Amino acid sequence: DGGITQSPKYLFRKEGQNVTLSCEQNLNHDAMYWYRQDPGQGLRLIYYSQIVNDFQKGDIAEGYSVSREKKESFPLTVTSAQKNPTAFYLCASSIDLPNTEAFFGQGTRLTVV
Amino acid sequence: AQSVAQPEDQVNVAEGNPLTVKCTYSVSGNPYLFWYVQYPNRGLQFLLKYITGDNLVKGSYGFEAEFNKSQTSFHLKKPSALVSDSALYFCAVSSPGDNFNKFYFGSGTKLNVKP
Repeated sequence: DGGITQSPKYLFRKEGQNVTLSCEQNLNHDAMYWYRQDPGQGLRLIYYSQIVNDFQKGDIAEGYSVSREKKESFPLTVTSAQKNPTAFYLCASSIDLPNTEAFFGQGTRLTVV
Repeated sequence: AQSVAQPEDQVNVAEGNPLTVKCTYSVSGNPYLFWYVQYPNRGLQFLLKYITGDNLVKGSYGFEAEFNKSQTSFHLKKPSALVSDSALYFCAVSSPGDNFNKFYFGSGTKLNVKP
């Protein structure tokens, strides 16, 4: 089945640690996205990538980093510089045209302990 | 700037009654409009979209939405609600003027369908 796979589903991080969230897609989509979801705030864009080896900051990129070495993969690293990292993180992909819908992974819930 | 507003944090409806979840948008040019549904601790699932043409769009699970250009609205509707429709619903817009497929999401509306 085609789709987007995020792992792990739940992740616990100690303060001061970097953690990496995995996102893999087999939909052959050029565009990939990372969103952060907090209660009552909808989805906020962290980073996006339109093509391999290229990515751009979204609205809340501070404290996060990404890479796009392969078309299928778009991992997100939450660094120790992110002051409030506890949230639900969603990865998505789409054909890179404005009239196409995005496909989402099942999300990773990150908790700082 | 592009934006989406979902004026209701929560909508309550009895099973079997019609439901409406409201969405208004602000975008330069002609908008592309989307509805997604999210169940607890899951990702978003695409329901339907408006690109052009007929203002009434039909989507998955019996949902439909009506595009109203003069009111800049794209309300989600269903003639007869099911308990299983209870979930969080997001409206989103993208703009042909953007240089990539950027989605602007509303804050979400929680739909509660009671038996």
